[in-house]
Amino acid sequence: GAGVSQSPSNKVTEKGKDVELRCDPISGHTALYWYRQSLGQGLEFLIYFQGNSAPDKSGLPSDRFSAERTGGSVSTLTIQRTQQEDSAVYLCASDSSRTYSGANVLTFGAGSRLTVL
Amino acid sequence: AQSVTQPDIHITVSEGASLELRCNYSYGATPYLFWYVQSPGQGLQLLLKYFSGDTLVQGIKGFEAEFKRSQSSFNLRKPSVHWSDAAEYFCAVGSRDTGRRALTFGSGTRLQVQP
Repeated sequence: GAGVSQSPSNKVTEKGKDVELRCDPISGHTALYWYRQSLGQGLEFLIYFQGNSAPDKSGLPSDRFSAERTGGSVSTLTIQRTQQEDSAVYLCASDSSRTYSGANVLTFGAGSRLTVL
Repeated sequence: AQSVTQPDIHITVSEGASLELRCNYSYGATPYLFWYVQSPGQGLQLLLKYFSGDTLVQGIKGFEAEFKRSQSSFNLRKPSVHWSDAAEYFCAVGSRDTGRRALTFGSGTRLQVQP
């Protein structure tokens, strides 16, 4: 697509429920990132996918968080047994590079706002 | 570990006034440096970036930033602010070490523009 698309844009859930957040990157972008933006905080890196390589999961805060990327395109971030501290905006980004570099320019989606009651 | 500090959480300027948003970083060498802007309900958009060379870089929407190695700073400037510039601004550093596969972002500066 023309941009990075994320759904849902807003999600309200009860503590203990599982949630899935979806990201559809720009067509042809092999690199995909998930970041978390908590209130008053900067963006926190969660996970990085590059093509068919094993993802870099070093930013996932706990084993309740997982992500997958099917067919090298759409990605789903899953949060199990949600807690109130999981409330945040979850941002997805993609870039066209075939290898990682700190110089990569990311294109971000509008984010999914998660509220855990 | 690399880090980014944006000392100003919230800044208010009058339309037409000049603007400077501060960014300081901590990194062992010269990092890749970025400024992104986030308008309400939208994703982050790249304003400008610095990789090497001329330390004054120009970006979109009339913004510029200057890399100062001695001060470990990469401040964002605009000579005359427009009401549409109201948004949140994030400074970020990218590592030249490919072992760290993520940008490090500051906590952001929210800009309010008064008419």
